[in-house]
Amino acid sequence: NAGVTQTPKFQVLKTGQSMTLQCAQDMNHNSMYWYRQDPGMGLRLIYYSASEGTTDKGEVPNGYNVSRLNKREFSLRLESAAPSQTSVYFCASSGRRDSWSYEQYFGPGTRLTVT
Amino acid sequence: DAKTTQPPSMDCAEGRAANLPCNHSTISGNEYVYWYRQIHSQGPQYIIHGLKNNETNEMASLIITEDRKSSTLILPHATLRDTAVYYCIVRVALGSQGNLIFGKGTKLSVKP
Repeated sequence: NAGVTQTPKFQVLKTGQSMTLQCAQDMNHNSMYWYRQDPGMGLRLIYYSASEGTTDKGEVPNGYNVSRLNKREFSLRLESAAPSQTSVYFCASSGRRDSWSYEQYFGPGTRLTVT
Repeated sequence: DAKTTQPPSMDCAEGRAANLPCNHSTISGNEYVYWYRQIHSQGPQYIIHGLKNNETNEMASLIITEDRKSSTLILPHATLRDTAVYYCIVRVALGSQGNLIFGKGTKLSVKP
């Protein structure tokens, strides 16, 4: 049981390049999330997927697209990378902790630098 | 969701109890207090949550004041591995599709 996995761990892009960040979970969770974390800041939600086949914008969606490929996988795409997108990206999924609340499980993060 | 106020940093001696405060004076009756932590460069990790009663698990204890306007996370015997940023988050019960709103948290440094 690997939990939430993310690839790649590190990436350097030039302005204007595109890339896709991959995320997978093996906990059979319905909901998945993409957050970004800038230096010295808390996490901010980019997009989320409440269930397979649905996606919704979070707090900072501009410049990103997502795909919920199946129940396990949720990818984040940068079509034309900008230096402002230099950040650490975390994927998360949520599962039931008790009868009324859910816990979010986070992946190890992808460290992206755009030059 | 109610806003929270946490001190930016705290120190604690190894083996002693770490008491991390959080103010949430505008909390609503249906909002819970969640604590997560983030060890350097890793993804956040759930610690504990509660509504109005004190809660304890294998990681920590959560003490919520009677008026629910503040709470304290207690790590009873802090170790060096507890050095992390601790986030206090107040929101309605985290459903299967609820996101977390992270502030800047408290950076706890456990010293030998």
